[in-house]
Amino acid sequence: GAGVSQSPRYKVTKRGQDVALRCDPISGHVSLYWYRQALGQGPEFLTYFNYEAQQDKSGLPNDRFSAERPEGSISTLTIQRTEQRDSAMYRCASSLAPGRINEKLFFGSGTQLSVL
Amino acid sequence: LAKTTQPISMDSYEGQEVNITCSHNNIATNDYITWYQQFPSQGPRFIIQGYKTKVTNEVASLFIPADRKSSTLSLPRVSLSDTAVYYCLVGDIQGGSYIPTFGRGTSLIVHP
Repeated sequence: GAGVSQSPRYKVTKRGQDVALRCDPISGHVSLYWYRQALGQGPEFLTYFNYEAQQDKSGLPNDRFSAERPEGSISTLTIQRTEQRDSAMYRCASSLAPGRINEKLFFGSGTQLSVL
Repeated sequence: LAKTTQPISMDSYEGQEVNITCSHNNIATNDYITWYQQFPSQGPRFIIQGYKTKVTNEVASLFIPADRKSSTLSLPRVSLSDTAVYYCLVGDIQGGSYIPTFGRGTSLIVHP
């Protein structure tokens, strides 16, 4: 696609429900990153993939958070048993390939998650 | 991982040149310096990247002194639309496990 696409744009859920956030990266981009951004803060790293392999998940807050990218393209970030503290903007970014000069991230518009 | 320090906020006026300095005292030999811009309600957008001396593109210039312990993003003749948060990132982009790490950034407000 022309850019990184995230859906839904907004998600309101009740505490205790599971949510799945989707990211469709730019076609051909090898690397895919998930970030979480609170109001007034910079994006906080959660996890990233090269192709279908999850390279680092050290930023995932706890075991309620998981991510997958089974075919090396679309990725899903799942939050189980949501809590109010999970409310934030969740951003996905992709890049063409790791380890290149001038490698840059392209961000999607994000999913604003509100847990009531 | 090199830690960066930049001012939390800056104010300027239309038509002025704005310089935002980022400190990265423990930058490693293989680290590059990258700047991103983020408008309200949007994701960050890559602006410029450099390793040493000066880099210029259609949006900004990046000045890096010889010791590389700091860098300065220069925006010429800013307009209201340059109001945004600017992030400085440092890391080994050619390394196999580079994770772009964002701090709080510098919130630039351009006044009429």
